[in-house]
Amino acid sequence: GAGVSQTPSNKVTEKGKYVELRCDPISGHTALYWYRQSLGQGPEFLIYFQGTGAADDSGLPNDRFFAVRPEGSVSTLKIQRTERGDSAVYLCASSLTGSGDTQYFGPGTRLTVL
Amino acid sequence: AQSVAQPEDQVNVAEGNPLTVKCTYSVSGNPYLFWYVQYPNRGLQFLLKYITGDNLVKGSYGFEAEFNKSQTSFHLKKPSALVSDSALYFCAVRDKRTYKYIFGTGTRLKVLA
Repeated sequence: GAGVSQTPSNKVTEKGKYVELRCDPISGHTALYWYRQSLGQGPEFLIYFQGTGAADDSGLPNDRFFAVRPEGSVSTLKIQRTERGDSAVYLCASSLTGSGDTQYFGPGTRLTVL
Repeated sequence: AQSVAQPEDQVNVAEGNPLTVKCTYSVSGNPYLFWYVQYPNRGLQFLLKYITGDNLVKGSYGFEAEFNKSQTSFHLKKPSALVSDSALYFCAVRDKRTYKYIFGTGTRLKVLA
């Protein structure tokens, strides 16, 4: 079956602009995670959804970052007033229930803020 | 606070030799433990996990890992390395009481022909 997909694969924007990154999880997976991976680092947890609700958003770095999952499937990560330090690969993962299930990762969106 | 340490940035091993990639962790409760592999220009791929039960976990591509509670370690092993195993390996931990996964900084494995 189809895996986790993320669009766009690459996004270049200018400092101060707004961006949206999309994640399509595996069908039927109720748990969805967003991570940020900077060069030479491991993925850094941002937010976890169980269904439509954000069960844990403790990893969002500040209030410029926001994520939604209105119908419990597709999720959008939104970044306002982008800064150069936001440049990274943003990864999405989904799992069946979230209770220690295997996470399946998408290919990521590489965000570059000029 | 949860943390994961992968003390080696890079591990070099000759093809056919056994390999070990080290991981130690710190969580306040009982952990879920995972290994993922990342090939160039590809997403993270699941290798294996420890949830409960037998401390020795077998996973994909002949890899295995042993959960050692007293040493708080979860080292990744393979009896005979292949050149195609060369990739970036990440250890991850999650406290069973939370949903937050913490990843290590990664270890680059290089298998030499």
